Amino acid sequence: QSVLTQPPSVSAAPGQKVTISCSGSSSNIGNYYVSWYQQLPGTAPKLLIYDNNKRPSGIPDRFSGSKSGTSATLGITGLQTGDEADYYCGTWDSSLSHVVFGGGTKLTVL
Amino acid sequence: QVQLVESGGGLVKPGGSLRLSCAASGFTFSDYYMSWIRQAPGKGLEWVSYISSRGTTKYYADSVKGRFTISRDNAKNSLYLQMNSLRAEDTAVYYCARVGPYGGNSLPCDYWGQGTLVTVSS
Repeated sequence: QSVLTQPPSVSAAPGQKVTISCSGSSSNIGNYYVSWYQQLPGTAPKLLIYDNNKRPSGIPDRFSGSKSGTSATLGITGLQTGDEADYYCGTWDSSLSHVVFGGGTKLTVL
Repeated sequence: QVQLVESGGGLVKPGGSLRLSCAASGFTFSDYYMSWIRQAPGKGLEWVSYISSRGTTKYYADSVKGRFTISRDNAKNSLYLQMNSLRAEDTAVYYCARVGPYGGNSLPCDYWGQGTLVTVSS
């Protein structure tokens, strides 16, 4: 059971928008920045968002992040079939003194 | 370009040991914190350990504390994970990852290796 809670799956049609939630507590999301990763099938994870809402160089602005209290959200607009992947949130947890990840959300673009 | 290449994975019996290596290139290795993150077959990501740029600070997940040791050799641009007393539940792909230069407090990893598979089985 993961410290951060994500929905197991989400789906939407090409061109549409989808959001993925990540719920935590005051010992993690409530006091630390959140990162989001995309893992395409058979590949290593890729950083999409860091510090709640910042995108590394090369990540399109179709991907966005936000945080409110002890929850964070990843948004993806203009969905493409190439966006089908597993998405993970991550942050530091002060009670555990280590990084924690959500259980992952599988995105299906119908 | 940044490259991280893991090696050292394989099949090992329960109770055995294995040492993973990660060769870094394309950046000033000694400037960056580094992490090991693993993923069991068909499962999600699990953070394992991180080490500061000079190797003076190390953190471990509870599941590996006392059994795994992270280290680095900045002269060789290499990161290591010594894994002892291995258990079946340590079976996973182990990724080496660079902690990004973002100054935040949550250690986001901006570059990952391709991973090396560790299988613990009799």
